[in-house]
Amino acid sequence: SAVISQKPSRDICQRGTSLTIQCQVDSQVTMMFWYRQQPGQSLTLIATANQGSEATYESGFVIDKFPISRPNLTFSTLTVSNMSPEDSSIYLCSVLEGYGNQPQHFGDGTRLSIL
Amino acid sequence: QKEVEQDPGPLSVPEGAIVSLNCTYSNSAFQYFMWYRQYSRKGPELLMYTYSSGNKEDGRFTAQVDKSSKYISLFIRDSQPSDSATYLCAMSRRDDKIIFGKGTRLHILP
Repeated sequence: SAVISQKPSRDICQRGTSLTIQCQVDSQVTMMFWYRQQPGQSLTLIATANQGSEATYESGFVIDKFPISRPNLTFSTLTVSNMSPEDSSIYLCSVLEGYGNQPQHFGDGTRLSIL
Repeated sequence: QKEVEQDPGPLSVPEGAIVSLNCTYSNSAFQYFMWYRQYSRKGPELLMYTYSSGNKEDGRFTAQVDKSSKYISLFIRDSQPSDSATYLCAMSRRDDKIIFGKGTRLHILP
């Protein structure tokens, strides 16, 4: 399966600042997704990153807070804007390699702490 | 009722034992069922992927789906300390987003 690299692997940020997380895949993939994993909670889908167009956001997540880019078939970014302590979480990128109903594969995530 | 229920554990078993991990779900439209393993400070790693009901075996791992009972299981035979991790069940409808359980923390005691 594709090798997925996320940067940074972890960061500690100040309240009110923004952080951009990168997801790089070593081969072209059909779909890319961004998830949030909070302690004791299920993995939650934030949005689907669409190549060349606006991302598709899940209920409870908005573009102003989590802007996403996907300029090509191997790269995407997620920005967490105007951060507050409630944004402290693990953010994960996942990809779908083929078409039809295929399983998703995940990167190792970005561990984000907001002071 | 949550769509997917999974006991968070922790579950501690001695090395060599058979481990049984389970999830229940409420949406009868789910067709695709997955188990992911997540080590500390790592992303989820796909272990098993099954469609509809039945069993699937891969080495020491067996996934079982009972759609009539809305119940899925993952069995690990001859458990090893390296199996200590959090196991996430997940499921989806066709062409729809994946719904995850909260994960079960498993400790294999040497």
